[in-house]
Amino acid sequence: EADIYQTPRYLVIGTGKKITLECSQTMGHDKMYWYQQDPGMELHLIHYSYGVNSTEKGDLSSESTVSRIRTEHFPLTLESARPSHTSQYLCASRDRLRGVNEQFFGPGTRLTVL
Amino acid sequence: GQSLEQPSEVTAVEGAIVQINCTYQTSGFYGLSWYQQHDGGAPTFLSYNALDGLEETGRFSSFLSRSDSYGYLLLQELQMKDSASYFCAVNGDTDKLIFGTGTRLQVFP
Repeated sequence: EADIYQTPRYLVIGTGKKITLECSQTMGHDKMYWYQQDPGMELHLIHYSYGVNSTEKGDLSSESTVSRIRTEHFPLTLESARPSHTSQYLCASRDRLRGVNEQFFGPGTRLTVL
Repeated sequence: GQSLEQPSEVTAVEGAIVQINCTYQTSGFYGLSWYQQHDGGAPTFLSYNALDGLEETGRFSSFLSRSDSYGYLLLQELQMKDSASYFCAVNGDTDKLIFGTGTRLQVFP
């Protein structure tokens, strides 16, 4: 059973606000990922981390930033939300001893920016 | 560019067999994975193929042909709960997955 949590599950916010989406996992996984997914569409990697103090940008350009101060915690921050940020954000992690293919996903945060 | 193509939608009836195809064009290739995602839910890992051939896991099987840049997910004895979106994904390098466009499977009674 994968133990990866995201909060909030749903967020409606006004343009220009700063927001942080939380992601935590209790599996001790080194590798963590953030994906953006529009309804019915594919997942796009926006950030990933190899471990503490490691962060990398993904394939999709994003105005968000991430940090990895603790192994279990990988928050994503939008400094100034815009309507174009409306989407679902999925956090995932994996065991470094297993391949990148088997990732465990959190339930997602559905973000709406008005 | 890098792309993974899947049919957008497939329909079938309970008890039937359905095949979801995936063709890929990526700069690197280590393996092909399949994920299931129910509406409003999180993607869950189903299977992985690194080598050519068929991998079977219960009612689900996955096939890969590296020479054809092609794979498929085979679902047998379909059940209503199999109605979901199915994504193929390629790891073109060791640390990242590229996801396909997704196939929405609808199972009818």
